[in-house]
Amino acid sequence: EVQLVESGGGLIQPGGSLRLSCAASGFSFSSYNMNWARQAPGKGLEWVAYISSSSSSIYYADSVKGRFTISRDNAKNSLYLEMKSLRAEDTAVYYCARAPVEGDAGLGYWGQGTLVTVSS
Amino acid sequence: QSVLTQPPSASGTPGQRVTISCSGSSSNIGRNYVYWYQYLPGAAPKLIIYRNNQRPSGVPDRFSGSKSGTSASLAISGLRSEDETDYYCAAWDDYSWVFGGGTKLTVL
Repeated sequence: EVQLVESGGGLIQPGGSLRLSCAASGFSFSSYNMNWARQAPGKGLEWVAYISSSSSSIYYADSVKGRFTISRDNAKNSLYLEMKSLRAEDTAVYYCARAPVEGDAGLGYWGQGTLVTVSS
Repeated sequence: QSVLTQPPSASGTPGQRVTISCSGSSSNIGRNYVYWYQYLPGAAPKLIIYRNNQRPSGVPDRFSGSKSGTSASLAISGLRSEDETDYYCAAWDDYSWVFGGGTKLTVL
Protein backbone atom coordinates (compact mmCIF):
# COMPACT_ATOMS: atom_id res chain seq x y z
CA GLU A 1 0.00 0.00 0.00
CA VAL A 2 1.32 3.42 -0.95
CA GLN A 3 1.97 5.54 2.13
CA LEU A 4 3.20 9.11 2.31
CA VAL A 5 3.62 10.66 5.74
CA GLU A 6 4.50 14.34 6.04
CA SER A 7 6.10 15.84 9.14
CA GLY A 8 7.90 18.98 10.27
CA GLY A 9 5.04 21.45 10.23
CA GLY A 10 4.30 23.84 13.05
CA LEU A 11 4.08 27.45 14.14
CA ILE A 12 6.89 29.66 12.87
CA GLN A 13 7.48 33.41 12.94
CA PRO A 14 7.62 35.43 9.73
CA GLY A 15 11.11 35.31 8.27
CA GLY A 16 11.80 31.97 9.87
CA SER A 17 12.76 28.61 8.36
CA LEU A 18 11.27 25.16 8.46
CA ARG A 19 12.07 21.80 6.92
CA LEU A 20 9.28 19.46 5.92
CA SER A 21 9.83 15.74 5.39
CA CYS A 22 7.79 13.13 3.59
CA ALA A 23 8.42 9.48 4.41
CA ALA A 24 7.42 7.13 1.60
CA SER A 25 6.67 3.43 1.80
CA GLY A 26 4.85 0.70 -0.11
CA PHE A 27 6.44 1.44 -3.49
CA SER A 28 9.81 1.89 -5.18
CA PHE A 29 10.41 5.51 -4.19
CA SER A 30 13.41 6.01 -6.49
CA SER A 31 11.25 5.22 -9.54
CA TYR A 32 8.70 8.00 -9.07
CA ASN A 33 8.64 11.73 -9.61
CA MET A 34 7.40 13.70 -6.60
CA ASN A 35 5.69 17.01 -5.85
CA TRP A 36 4.82 19.29 -2.96
CA ALA A 37 1.51 21.12 -2.98
CA ARG A 38 -0.38 23.17 -0.41
CA GLN A 39 -3.77 24.50 0.55
CA ALA A 40 -4.06 27.77 2.42
CA PRO A 41 -7.06 28.32 4.71
CA GLY A 42 -10.17 28.97 2.65
CA LYS A 43 -8.25 28.68 -0.61
CA GLY A 44 -7.86 26.08 -3.33
CA LEU A 45 -5.00 23.71 -4.08
CA GLU A 46 -1.67 25.24 -5.09
CA TRP A 47 1.35 23.43 -6.49
CA VAL A 48 4.66 24.27 -4.78
CA ALA A 49 7.53 22.24 -6.26
CA TYR A 50 8.45 19.22 -8.40
CA ILE A 51 11.44 16.90 -8.39
CA SER A 52 12.12 14.08 -10.82
CA SER A 53 12.98 10.58 -9.68
CA SER A 54 16.74 11.13 -10.07
CA SER A 55 16.62 14.79 -8.92
CA SER A 56 17.77 15.85 -12.39
CA SER A 57 14.75 18.12 -12.94
CA ILE A 58 13.44 20.54 -10.32
CA TYR A 59 10.79 23.23 -10.73
CA TYR A 60 9.16 25.72 -8.37
CA ALA A 61 6.06 27.86 -8.28
CA ASP A 62 6.88 31.53 -8.73
CA SER A 63 5.46 32.24 -5.26
CA VAL A 64 8.20 30.19 -3.57
CA LYS A 65 11.11 30.41 -6.01
CA GLY A 66 14.31 31.46 -4.28
CA ARG A 67 12.89 30.71 -0.81
CA PHE A 68 11.98 27.00 -0.94
CA THR A 69 14.21 24.06 -1.88
CA ILE A 70 12.90 20.60 -2.78
CA SER A 71 15.18 17.59 -2.43
CA ARG A 72 15.00 13.84 -2.00
CA ASP A 73 17.05 11.00 -0.60
CA ASN A 74 16.23 7.82 -2.50
CA ALA A 75 18.29 5.73 -0.09
CA LYS A 76 16.05 6.91 2.76
CA ASN A 77 12.79 6.90 0.76
CA SER A 78 12.30 10.50 1.75
CA LEU A 79 11.27 13.79 0.19
CA TYR A 80 12.07 17.19 1.70
CA LEU A 81 11.01 20.80 1.44
CA GLU A 82 13.34 23.38 2.94
CA MET A 83 11.44 26.62 3.50
CA LYS A 84 13.15 29.94 4.28
CA SER A 85 12.04 33.56 4.63
CA LEU A 86 8.58 32.36 5.47
CA ARG A 87 5.66 34.74 5.06
CA ALA A 88 2.15 34.82 6.43
CA GLU A 89 0.86 33.81 3.01
CA ASP A 90 2.84 30.54 3.24
CA THR A 91 0.44 29.39 5.96
CA ALA A 92 -1.14 26.24 4.60
CA VAL A 93 -1.43 22.49 4.84
CA TYR A 94 1.50 21.08 2.87
CA TYR A 95 1.13 17.79 1.01
CA CYS A 96 3.67 15.58 -0.66
CA ALA A 97 2.38 13.70 -3.68
CA ARG A 98 3.71 10.83 -5.76
CA ALA A 99 3.15 10.57 -9.49
CA PRO A 100 0.28 8.25 -10.45
CA VAL A 101 2.53 6.00 -12.52
CA GLU A 102 6.26 5.73 -13.26
CA GLY A 103 7.41 8.33 -15.75
CA ASP A 104 4.47 10.62 -15.06
CA ALA A 105 5.08 14.02 -13.48
CA GLY A 106 1.64 14.52 -12.02
CA LEU A 107 0.31 14.54 -8.47
CA GLY A 108 -1.20 11.12 -7.91
CA TYR A 109 -1.13 9.73 -4.42
CA TRP A 110 -1.14 12.34 -1.67
CA GLY A 111 -0.17 12.24 1.98
CA GLN A 112 -2.40 13.52 4.77
CA GLY A 113 -0.52 16.79 4.97
CA THR A 114 1.28 18.81 7.62
CA LEU A 115 0.14 22.24 8.78
CA VAL A 116 2.52 25.19 8.60
CA THR A 117 1.41 28.36 10.35
CA VAL A 118 3.46 31.51 9.84
CA SER A 119 2.52 34.05 12.49
CA SER A 120 4.07 36.27 15.11
CA GLN B 1 -7.41 33.99 -9.98
CA SER B 2 -6.71 30.39 -11.04
CA VAL B 3 -5.02 29.60 -14.35
CA LEU B 4 -7.61 26.90 -15.08
CA THR B 5 -11.27 27.92 -14.92
CA GLN B 6 -13.89 25.74 -13.25
CA PRO B 7 -17.48 26.58 -12.32
CA PRO B 8 -17.63 27.28 -8.58
CA SER B 9 -20.55 24.94 -8.11
CA ALA B 10 -22.45 22.08 -9.69
CA SER B 11 -25.36 19.96 -8.55
CA GLY B 12 -27.41 16.92 -9.38
CA THR B 13 -29.83 14.42 -7.92
CA PRO B 14 -28.97 10.83 -7.00
CA GLY B 15 -28.60 8.67 -10.09
CA GLN B 16 -28.14 11.63 -12.38
CA ARG B 17 -25.13 12.36 -14.59
CA VAL B 18 -23.24 15.59 -13.95
CA THR B 19 -20.28 17.14 -15.70
CA ILE B 20 -17.70 19.60 -14.42
CA SER B 21 -15.76 21.66 -16.93
CA CYS B 22 -12.18 22.89 -16.80
CA SER B 23 -11.06 25.55 -19.23
CA GLY B 24 -7.44 26.42 -19.94
CA SER B 25 -5.19 27.51 -22.76
CA SER B 26 -2.77 26.21 -25.36
CA SER B 27 0.09 26.23 -22.88
CA ASN B 28 -1.59 23.91 -20.40
CA ILE B 29 -4.64 21.81 -21.34
CA GLY B 30 -4.02 22.39 -25.04
CA ARG B 31 -0.77 20.48 -25.03
CA ASN B 32 -0.65 18.49 -21.77
CA TYR B 33 -2.59 15.91 -19.81
CA VAL B 34 -5.40 16.84 -17.43
CA TYR B 35 -5.80 15.41 -13.95
CA TRP B 36 -8.85 15.46 -11.69
CA TYR B 37 -9.01 15.30 -7.91
CA GLN B 38 -11.69 14.78 -5.33
CA TYR B 39 -10.96 16.83 -2.24
CA LEU B 40 -12.72 16.89 1.06
CA PRO B 41 -11.10 19.67 3.12
CA GLY B 42 -9.15 18.15 5.97
CA ALA B 43 -8.51 14.95 4.07
CA ALA B 44 -5.89 14.04 1.48
CA PRO B 45 -6.84 14.94 -2.11
CA LYS B 46 -7.72 11.83 -4.10
CA LEU B 47 -6.77 11.38 -7.74
CA ILE B 48 -9.76 10.19 -9.77
CA ILE B 49 -8.59 10.81 -13.33
CA TYR B 50 -5.07 11.12 -14.75
CA ARG B 51 -3.77 11.60 -18.28
CA ASN B 52 -7.13 13.00 -19.41
CA ASN B 53 -9.18 9.82 -19.07
CA GLN B 54 -7.32 7.17 -17.08
CA ARG B 55 -8.78 5.95 -13.80
CA PRO B 56 -6.49 4.82 -10.96
CA SER B 57 -7.31 1.41 -9.60
CA GLY B 58 -10.17 1.54 -7.15
CA VAL B 59 -11.89 4.53 -8.74
CA PRO B 60 -15.36 3.52 -9.93
CA ASP B 61 -16.10 3.65 -13.65
CA ARG B 62 -18.85 6.12 -12.82
CA PHE B 63 -16.08 8.69 -13.10
CA SER B 64 -14.78 9.55 -16.55
CA GLY B 65 -12.66 12.28 -18.07
CA SER B 66 -12.36 13.80 -21.51
CA LYS B 67 -10.42 16.57 -23.21
CA SER B 68 -10.97 18.60 -26.33
CA GLY B 69 -8.70 21.42 -27.38
CA THR B 70 -8.10 23.68 -24.40
CA SER B 71 -10.97 22.34 -22.29
CA ALA B 72 -11.57 19.21 -20.27
CA SER B 73 -14.52 17.68 -18.48
CA LEU B 74 -15.14 15.32 -15.60
CA ALA B 75 -18.33 13.32 -15.80
CA ILE B 76 -19.90 11.51 -12.88
CA SER B 77 -22.73 9.15 -13.71
CA GLY B 78 -25.07 7.44 -11.27
CA LEU B 79 -24.54 10.28 -8.81
CA ARG B 80 -24.34 9.21 -5.17
CA SER B 81 -24.49 11.17 -1.94
CA GLU B 82 -20.86 10.37 -1.17
CA ASP B 83 -19.83 12.21 -4.35
CA GLU B 84 -20.71 15.49 -2.64
CA THR B 85 -17.38 17.25 -2.18
CA ASP B 86 -14.94 19.55 -4.01
CA TYR B 87 -13.36 18.68 -7.36
CA TYR B 88 -10.21 20.19 -8.87
CA CYS B 89 -8.60 19.91 -12.27
CA ALA B 90 -4.88 20.34 -12.92
CA ALA B 91 -2.49 20.43 -15.86
CA TRP B 92 1.18 21.06 -16.58
CA ASP B 93 1.93 24.55 -17.87
CA ASP B 94 5.42 25.64 -18.84
CA TYR B 95 7.40 24.09 -15.99
CA SER B 96 4.68 24.35 -13.37
CA TRP B 97 1.51 22.61 -12.35
CA VAL B 98 -1.63 24.74 -12.41
CA PHE B 99 -4.95 24.02 -10.77
CA GLY B 100 -8.49 25.11 -11.30
CA GLY B 101 -10.25 27.02 -8.54
CA GLY B 102 -12.35 24.00 -7.61
CA THR B 103 -15.99 23.04 -8.06
CA LYS B 104 -18.24 22.24 -5.14
CA LEU B 105 -20.59 19.42 -6.11
CA THR B 106 -23.88 19.20 -4.26
CA VAL B 107 -26.05 16.12 -4.40
CA LEU B 108 -29.60 17.35 -3.95
